[in-house]
Amino acid sequence: DAMVIQNPRYQVTQFGKPVTLSCSQTLNHNVMYWYQQKSSQAPKLLFHYYDKDFNNEADTPDNFQSRRPNTSFCFLDIRSPGLGDAAMYLCATSRDYRGVSYEQYFGPGTRLTVT
Amino acid sequence: TQLLEQSPQFLSIQEGENLTVYCNSSSVFSSLQWYRQEPGEGPVLLVTVVTGGEVKKLKRLTFQFGDARKDSSLHITAAQPGDTGLYLCADRTDKLIFGTGTRLQVFP
Repeated sequence: DAMVIQNPRYQVTQFGKPVTLSCSQTLNHNVMYWYQQKSSQAPKLLFHYYDKDFNNEADTPDNFQSRRPNTSFCFLDIRSPGLGDAAMYLCATSRDYRGVSYEQYFGPGTRLTVT
Repeated sequence: TQLLEQSPQFLSIQEGENLTVYCNSSSVFSSLQWYRQEPGEGPVLLVTVVTGGEVKKLKRLTFQFGDARKDSSLHITAAQPGDTGLYLCADRTDKLIFGTGTRLQVFP
């Protein structure tokens, strides 16, 4: 029944060592989002894909990249993680941007620790 | 840049108590959503409100949207430990802009 799946749930990486987080969806939604949520804070949108069109938020650091090879999968790449990148990373999907189709479904998140 | 302020920031209550949390925006909401996020999980949508003055009920939860569409409240009646979590309001435009959140702890 899982609709938005994130792997792994917990990831530990070393300072400066590239890391990739994975998200997959069974909803066949057009839009996939990546959020960063630091402790006790609200989720902050990093970027999203509408189908294959990539949309980066203006304040997302260049250190963060994303790939969407097909409808079902989306990856978050952190090229050189710093201690400040330790956070929960949430993936979400929605069918579209507007109207009733615009409910976002969130995955359980990947908690990233940087040592 | 729109700012969504939620209050209180933290709330710790006993089972059976009532509570209200608030969400205030620096600008008019396009449409307002409330989410609950349990520890270690992603946010789950509770409700969407669009019309000023709108009131929606979801079991023990009552959501109210201000007439001017710049504020909202969430009232929980007879809170239960299962209500524990982070409550987030969000403005739904072409993306979600989340509020600062209210962390609720309900003790048995």
